[in-house]
Amino acid sequence: DTAVSQTPKYLVTQMGNDKSIKCEQNLGHDTMYWYKQDSKKFLKIMFSYNNKELIINETVPNRFSPKSPDKAHLNLHINSLELGDSAVYFCASSQYGTGAYEQYFGPGTRLTVT
Amino acid sequence: DAKTTQPTSMDCAEGRAANLPCNHSTISGNEYVYWYRQIHSQGPQYIIHGLKNNETNEMASLIITEDRKSSTLILPHATLRDTAVYYCIVRVAAGAQKLVFGQGTRLTINP
Repeated sequence: DTAVSQTPKYLVTQMGNDKSIKCEQNLGHDTMYWYKQDSKKFLKIMFSYNNKELIINETVPNRFSPKSPDKAHLNLHINSLELGDSAVYFCASSQYGTGAYEQYFGPGTRLTVT
Repeated sequence: DAKTTQPTSMDCAEGRAANLPCNHSTISGNEYVYWYRQIHSQGPQYIIHGLKNNETNEMASLIITEDRKSSTLILPHATLRDTAVYYCIVRVAAGAQKLVFGQGTRLTINP
């Protein structure tokens, strides 16, 4: 059973389009994250939701809008895609609270904007 | 969160112990040391974490110096599948576990 799954695995689209990436976790965690890994391989956090509430919002263009319908799902919608949005996007989940909880990552979605 | 410094790359022979160092000289008393790795094209994978004491699990051992300013991740019997980028991350264990990834150490296990 896959703990953190993402769809699609690959996404190729043209500039200006709108696309969504979906993430689901079956670990019973209450916190989920989106990270972006660019072409230089740097991993940076974008957003985090705890129990459907946005708790981390890094400096990300407002073309990116996360949505969490429930605590097991966190989707990422991107409007008006730009070439610079090409990257691998990773979803992750963990527990929230005063503990050294590890994060579990999904397999990633490779987004290519042409 | 405290900054970490790791060597850019390391090599290790298959079957040997791989020792990956990390400096975190500005670590605070309530900050943990975490290690993650990323095998090519996969999502990062949690390995181990510790606060003060040395820790061991089925994947690795974590040795933290007494002053907590540095640590070493030990893969006791490295295999080719351990070839990956290893990230040492320091952060407090509270709330949302935002991970700040540095450049990491690219570990290559050679046959």
